Amino acid sequence: DAKTTQPPSMDCAEGRAANLPCNHSTISGNEYVYWYRQIHSQGPQYIIHGLKNNETNEMASLIITEDRKSSTLILPHATLRDTAVYYCIVRDLNNNAGNMLTFGGGTRLMVKP
Amino acid sequence: DVKVTQSSRYLVKRTGEKVFLECVQDMDHENMFWYRQDPGLGLRLIYFSYDVKMKEKGDIPEGYSVSREKKERFSLILESASTNQTSMYLCASRNAPARIEQFFGPGTRLTVL
Repeated sequence: DAKTTQPPSMDCAEGRAANLPCNHSTISGNEYVYWYRQIHSQGPQYIIHGLKNNETNEMASLIITEDRKSSTLILPHATLRDTAVYYCIVRDLNNNAGNMLTFGGGTRLMVKP
Repeated sequence: DVKVTQSSRYLVKRTGEKVFLECVQDMDHENMFWYRQDPGLGLRLIYFSYDVKMKEKGDIPEGYSVSREKKERFSLILESASTNQTSMYLCASRNAPARIEQFFGPGTRLTVL
């Protein structure tokens, strides 16, 4: 699986957009990009995933560059409750290993009032 | 909403004890997973089960076993707990094969003295 690189921490003002970058320069054609987050003392929570096209759901937007070597998770109006560690993961879901998740260090997002 | 519950949030055990961690999901999911999460090491897969009575080793199965007698329940067993098994244990479930996201329980923080 492709390795991902994320900044260890970011701050964001409440009500502003939080833009979390992820580099995955070795991504292959079958690999999806997906994002989880983990709020303190809770289990990880799925946010969004994508392959090539930008995606949006009720939680966030995912912008994937045309070469697919990087992506950005956007929380359009960050709230204090969005303070969490955000994990960017790249997996090929067409093989058996796609059932598993392995998280790296992630980005610790601190939303400040 | 999918609910994944774990039997304990906090557990303290002594070296050599046999430890049972229980996980129950209420959405008839086929796949269930046990991970441990340690600072600086991210999330690591211990075992997973893709159906009742079926199990597969993950990345770090040594010192652990699992049991899946019923679809909704996946148990992680530490046969003889050791101090290096002090960790946060996370259970997850997924409805194979259509969905990508895994749903996590709140975690059990196990301390082995």
